[in-house]
Amino acid sequence: GNSVTQMEGPVTLSEEAFLTINCTYTATGYPSLFWYVQYPGEGLQLLLKATKADDKGSNKGFEATYRKETTSFHLEKGSVQVSDSAVYFCALSEGGGGNKLTFGTGTQLKVEL
Amino acid sequence: SAVISQKPSRDICQRGTSLTIQCQVDSQVTMMFWYRQQPGQSLTLIATANQGSEATYESGFVIDKFPISRPNLTFSTLTVSNMSPEDSSIYLCSVGGGTGKDGYTFGSGTRLTVV
Repeated sequence: GNSVTQMEGPVTLSEEAFLTINCTYTATGYPSLFWYVQYPGEGLQLLLKATKADDKGSNKGFEATYRKETTSFHLEKGSVQVSDSAVYFCALSEGGGGNKLTFGTGTQLKVEL
Repeated sequence: SAVISQKPSRDICQRGTSLTIQCQVDSQVTMMFWYRQQPGQSLTLIATANQGSEATYESGFVIDKFPISRPNLTFSTLTVSNMSPEDSSIYLCSVGGGTGKDGYTFGSGTRLTVV
């Protein structure tokens, strides 16, 4: 079956530091890949997505590239802010009409001044 | 993308009782998904709700414990029945993009505490 593996947190960084959160996946087909963010006390929001190999998703300074050869979708940001403190979830979907999402365990990011 | 209104946003319930969570979508969608997020954990799919047919439950979840209704293409409910403290979680509904490639929209979640 499908699975998503994320690096464990919490990850604690100083403001303006570089962020990488690793994500690798296992899928039987050609999934779409997503990063979701959950700010404290809130629901999930889609951060970015990529639907095919070598696609790069980007949003709010975050980027992730769909690497089929390494089955990875690592999240990066060049300079984090305190407001980026949240839990980040990597997820995949096999696509098709309304297929479910498979989530990683989530990585908590704490950014300090 | 769709907008989902989920309620209640939170509740504290006595063990042995039931709670029904509602999700209203601002557009017609074929499938709705119900997830559980236990404290400090990731999201686990409970079931997929299709309009006009019975929900499809994932392994470990049963209809008697989590009955779902889907009376039309914009609305669904999830009931958590005969609750115990182990049911304390955040419950979220979700709808997917038409092909699953566009990302999924989530409701704001229901934070349930069972005492």
